[in-house]
Amino acid sequence: SQQGEEDPQALSIQEGENATMNCSYKTSINNLQWYRQNSGRGLVHLILIRSNEREKHSGRLRVTLDTSKKSSSLLITASRAADTASYFCATDYRGTSYGKLTFGQGTILTVHP
Amino acid sequence: EAQVTQNPRYLITVTGKKLTVTCSQNMNHEYMSWYRQDPGLGLRQIYYSMNVEVTDKGDVPEGYKVSRKEKRNFPLILESPSPNQTSLYFCASSNLQGSGYTFGSGTRLTVV
Repeated sequence: SQQGEEDPQALSIQEGENATMNCSYKTSINNLQWYRQNSGRGLVHLILIRSNEREKHSGRLRVTLDTSKKSSSLLITASRAADTASYFCATDYRGTSYGKLTFGQGTILTVHP
Repeated sequence: EAQVTQNPRYLITVTGKKLTVTCSQNMNHEYMSWYRQDPGLGLRQIYYSMNVEVTDKGDVPEGYKVSRKEKRNFPLILESPSPNQTSLYFCASSNLQGSGYTFGSGTRLTVV
């Protein structure tokens, strides 16, 4: 399976702390995307980073990509209780047609008020 | 409002009774996709479509059919549902620029 691996599987922090989640993947990619899912609901797209980019920011989110290590990280700064959710990385693998997206297993983030 | 609409939200059916889950998007997106989400297995892609009349298998296509006769609609068909297809299903769409997928709210299917 080409499915990516995320770690940690679960992360529990206090409001105001930073949260870092990691994603590793197996083969070359066109882009890597991060999504958030609140309990049982639809996924929400957070950020997309292309294979030729190394870092991207969006508000309190910072994503890095290291293609030599085939890994990415998502940093949420100054976390809030509302950030409690599952976070998934998804990879668009090079050599497959666009649209074939492979998701990791996700990290469950709990932010305590 | 830009959105992906799936129906129904909840469905309980019996083994072997054909069903269709509808998916519609109002963003003129080229790409549409179906996923199933199961505990411990994450999201797995069932089928995806690059445009009208162009579809391809994802990682778990067995037991499912799709069609893309119009750009906005991408129904998921279970010809003969079985209990192992009990799952949470998501439809999603994206544009050619690869800006990420917009997901529907999900369909929770139970096959008894």
